[in-house]
Order: sequence, then C-alpha cells, then structure tokens
Amino acid sequence: QQQVKQSPQSLIVQKGGISIINCAYENTAFDYFPWYQQFPGKGPALLIAIRPDVSEKKEGRFTISFNKSAKQFSLHIMDSQPGDSATYFCAAYRNFNKFYFGSGTKLNVKP
Amino acid sequence: DAGVTQSPTHLIKTRGQHVTLRCSPISGHKSVSWYQQVLGQGPQFIFQYYEKEERGRGNFPDRFSARQFPNYSSELNVNALLLGDSALYLCASSYGQGDEQFFGPGTRLTVL
Repeated sequence: QQQVKQSPQSLIVQKGGISIINCAYENTAFDYFPWYQQFPGKGPALLIAIRPDVSEKKEGRFTISFNKSAKQFSLHIMDSQPGDSATYFCAAYRNFNKFYFGSGTKLNVKP
Repeated sequence: DAGVTQSPTHLIKTRGQHVTLRCSPISGHKSVSWYQQVLGQGPQFIFQYYEKEERGRGNFPDRFSARQFPNYSSELNVNALLLGDSALYLCASSYGQGDEQFFGPGTRLTVL
C-alpha cells in the first residue's frame, strides 16, 4: 500500500507562474512532512518541511500548505524559474525511523 | 566541508551475485539511512542506523543487510541479486536520528 500519494506526475509551467504539487497520506502517525528537490544525477535535497501542528510554512518562493483534517499537503512554488525544473518529492516521516516518499513530480518551467 | 560520499558511482552485477555499497556521512553526523530509488519512482526506505545500531527498517527482504562502523560510515549489502534490484541506491546522513537528512549522489546498480 502506497503510504504517500503524489500528483501530478508531471507539470509544465511558464516562467513567473505558480507551480503546485499535491500529496496525500493515510497514516495519522506521521509527524514530519518534507519536500525534496532532485536534479538528474544528484541525490534529493531538502527544500522545506513542516510539522502537523502548523498549517502553512513559507521560505522564500516556496510554501507548504498543510491540511491535517484532509490528510493532505502541498508545495507551492511562486514566480517559477527555469532553474526550478527538477523532480520534486514529498515525504512523510514517523518517529524518524520510518520514511515514505511520494512517487515524484517532474516540473518543467518554460522560459 | 565534503558532503555525503558514496562508492562506487556505478556498478554492474549479474543475477545471484553479491554487492557491497559504501557510504561516508558528513563529518560529525552519526546517523545513516539507505534508500532504493527505482527509475521514475520515489526513494524507498531500506534501513536507518544511529550510533551503530539499526533504528529503522523498511519492507525489504533479508537479502538486504547493512551495518555502521565506529567512524559512522556504513555499508549496504545485497545478496543473491535479482534483476529487480537494479536501482539507484541513496545514502543519507544526519547529525541525530531526528535531524535533517543530507543525501549523497547515489550508487547506480545494474543487475544483468
């Protein structure tokens, strides 16, 4: 059973637009929700993360929105740039010894 | 400061063989986790080690094993390789068990 479901699988956005990626989870025991960015040939790099006691967190152009009752969280990339083109993964952690990743979203920002 | 390093970068094995992958964490980090990333999918958690003890395990068969050494480096061993074991194997280190993870570039394993 997939613990974290991510959508869309791929996304094309014009430069300056907003990119939105969504994730849903089932296990209410998850206590940490990070987003990772991965470029080809590289390992994932942490972008931003949130805990379930907060509904929104913003860092620069990146914002996580968290809906605990719906068991959903999303990543918003404002003013998307071609350099943001990468694969993005959501993840959910439980007690920091169980880690589950979404299936990934390939973002392409058109110049 | 060097990031997480993994060796080898690429590896080709045949079915039934054994493989050992190595990871050196960021200096000062005491926790190492291993992940399997099949092409086009998200990483799948395999193991977490902290202070040389296994602290977490994902849903992988007993053919997969790992250990952490006194210098906090780690090895992932896979026995009786199957074609389905072909993947990018990622190592991530963190200072403590509950701290931010930093990923290495991975080892690309191909099983023929």
